[in-house]
Amino acid sequence: GAGVSQSPRYKVAKRGQDVALRCDPISGHVSLFWYQQALGQGPEFLTYFQNEAQLDKSGLPSDRFFAERPEGSVSTLKIQRTQQEDSAVYLCASSRGEDGSYEQYFGPGTRLTVT
Amino acid sequence: AQRVTQPEKLLSVFKGAPVELKCNYSYSGSPELFWYVQYSRQRLQLLLRHISRESIKGFTADLNKGETSFHLKKPFAQEEDSAMYYCALRRGYNKLIFGAGTRLAVHP
Repeated sequence: GAGVSQSPRYKVAKRGQDVALRCDPISGHVSLFWYQQALGQGPEFLTYFQNEAQLDKSGLPSDRFFAERPEGSVSTLKIQRTQQEDSAVYLCASSRGEDGSYEQYFGPGTRLTVT
Repeated sequence: AQRVTQPEKLLSVFKGAPVELKCNYSYSGSPELFWYVQYSRQRLQLLLRHISRESIKGFTADLNKGETSFHLKKPFAQEEDSAMYYCALRRGYNKLIFGAGTRLAVHP
């Protein structure tokens, strides 16, 4: 079956522009995660959804970052007034269950470059 | 604070040589640890988790709570093992804390 998909795969934004990154999780997966991966670093947690509820947004770096999953399926990560330090790969992951016993499946990522 | 440390950015070995990718963690509770792998032009995927205590693609990892380590080992490296390897710790529901990663290069 289809895995986690993300779009766009690449995004170039001028500083100050708003961007929206989309994640389509595996069908039926309850949990959805966003991670940010800067160059040369491991992924860093941004936020977590269980169905449509955003249960943890402790990793969002500023109030310019906003995520939603209104129907408990597709999720969008929005970054307002992009800055150069926002340049990174944004990874989405989904898992079947609500607890940590289920594997997280990662998407291919969206590479955001802010110029 | 919870943290995962992978001290080597690059590990370069010849085919058939043993491999050990180091991972150390700091965590106040009972940790659950994972190794993820990313092959060239592929997405991040789970390699193994400590609670499974299984060998995947010839790799094993043992959790050593005394040394707070979870090193990944393989007795005989293959060229197809060349990839980025990330050690990760689960905190809370499902939140993963990753190390910076180690690039394994296996030369013929």
